[in-house]
Amino acid sequence: DTAVSQTPKYLVTQMGNDKSIKCEQNLGHDTMYWYKQDSKKFLKIMFSYNNKELIINETVPNRFSPKSPDKAHLNLHINSLELGDSAVYFCASSQNRQEQFFGPGTRLTVL
Amino acid sequence: AQSVAQPEDQVNVAEGNPLTVKCTYSVSGNPYLFWYVQYPNRGLQFLLKYITGDNLVKGSYGFEAEFNKSQTSFHLKKPSALVSDSALYFCAVRDPLTGGGNKLTFGTGTQLKVEL
Repeated sequence: DTAVSQTPKYLVTQMGNDKSIKCEQNLGHDTMYWYKQDSKKFLKIMFSYNNKELIINETVPNRFSPKSPDKAHLNLHINSLELGDSAVYFCASSQNRQEQFFGPGTRLTVL
Repeated sequence: AQSVAQPEDQVNVAEGNPLTVKCTYSVSGNPYLFWYVQYPNRGLQFLLKYITGDNLVKGSYGFEAEFNKSQTSFHLKKPSALVSDSALYFCAVRDPLTGGGNKLTFGTGTQLKVEL
């Protein structure tokens, strides 16, 4: 059974487009996260939601907007995509600030 | 501010030999420390953590790590490496005093290559 799932796995799009990535966890965790991993494998947190409330909002362009409809879901919407947005985006979840469990990633390529 | 350093971009070891992947950290308070592994085209998998208690922490797949407060280190170790251990390893830290929202700071990763 998949614990943290993301869709789509791959996303190829043109500059200027708007796209969304979806994340779902079936672990019953109360906190979910979005990370960006760049081409050098550097991993940086973008956002975190706890019980649908935004608790971490790093220095990220406001073209990126997370949305958590419920505890089990955290989506990431990106407007006006730029070349520099190309990366792998990981969703993760945790309970009570314990270790985080990661999804398989979404590889975004902006042409 | 919390930070973590992995001084080696790559570690090479022969199968059967012991391996060490180094990690040092900087926090204001007592750290929460984690190790994760990433296989190609996969997400990160949790290996082990130190929150409090014994300085030697045992984790998945035979890995262990030793918390050393005086040296601010949390090196990952395994007594006998396997080819299948070859992957990218990340150390991460959270400062309970300042890392609000369970914010983890990750190191830059160390590529482990285990050869026959």
